Amino acid sequence: DIQMTQSPSSLSASVGDRVTITCRASQNIYNYLHWYQQKPGRAPKLLIDAASTLQSGVPSRFSGSGLGTDFTLTISSLQPEDVATYYCEGTFSIPHTFGQGTKLEIK
Amino acid sequence: QVQLQESGPGLVKPSQTLSLTCSVSGDSFSSGSYYWSWIRQPAGKGLEWIGRFYVGGVTEYNPSLKSRVIISQDTSENLLSLKLTSVTAADTAMYYCARGPPHGGTSGGHDYWGQGTLVTVSS
Repeated sequence: DIQMTQSPSSLSASVGDRVTITCRASQNIYNYLHWYQQKPGRAPKLLIDAASTLQSGVPSRFSGSGLGTDFTLTISSLQPEDVATYYCEGTFSIPHTFGQGTKLEIK
Repeated sequence: QVQLQESGPGLVKPSQTLSLTCSVSGDSFSSGSYYWSWIRQPAGKGLEWIGRFYVGGVTEYNPSLKSRVIISQDTSENLLSLKLTSVTAADTAMYYCARGPPHGGTSGGHDYWGQGTLVTVSS
């Protein structure tokens, strides 16, 4: 299985801060990397797929980058509504695997 | 607008079979554009991909569950079924169905999700 390692596991930042979450794959997954946002009691929501493609309706403050094994999710200016847990997922091979999640809070 | 809705018993006894269905509207399995997946999440924990279905009955499963899981299309064209046999307390989780990834080699995630259904394994 390809392991997905996210860091940090939790993060506290102020409104307006630039926030970066990283995801490392244990093998080359090209651009088969996707980012999800999950708020308490809700299903995950796809934010970015194919490493950098912003989904329709997702605010432009979210961006994704990376290729191969190292990937980044960036929030350019943190907003209160961004409080959530963020997951990366690799789908290059079976099984698809998720990172352990990054819990983002407002300082 | 694509919508998915999971349903099934909320309580299953240990050693029995967990059976869930996912009703899909706004898209069709027969379009062949996507895989259709089941994903689960124990309370307070991360996401685990269970497996995926493609039109015609092509399935792929997480090796950690492969001996116990069957994903299939129900007799109704747009119902996706999940069966997990010999359940234990470790199978207690929120179960989601989701559309994706795209079929055909294009990189893409799970773009539509159901709201999830909570299954508790307990006697």
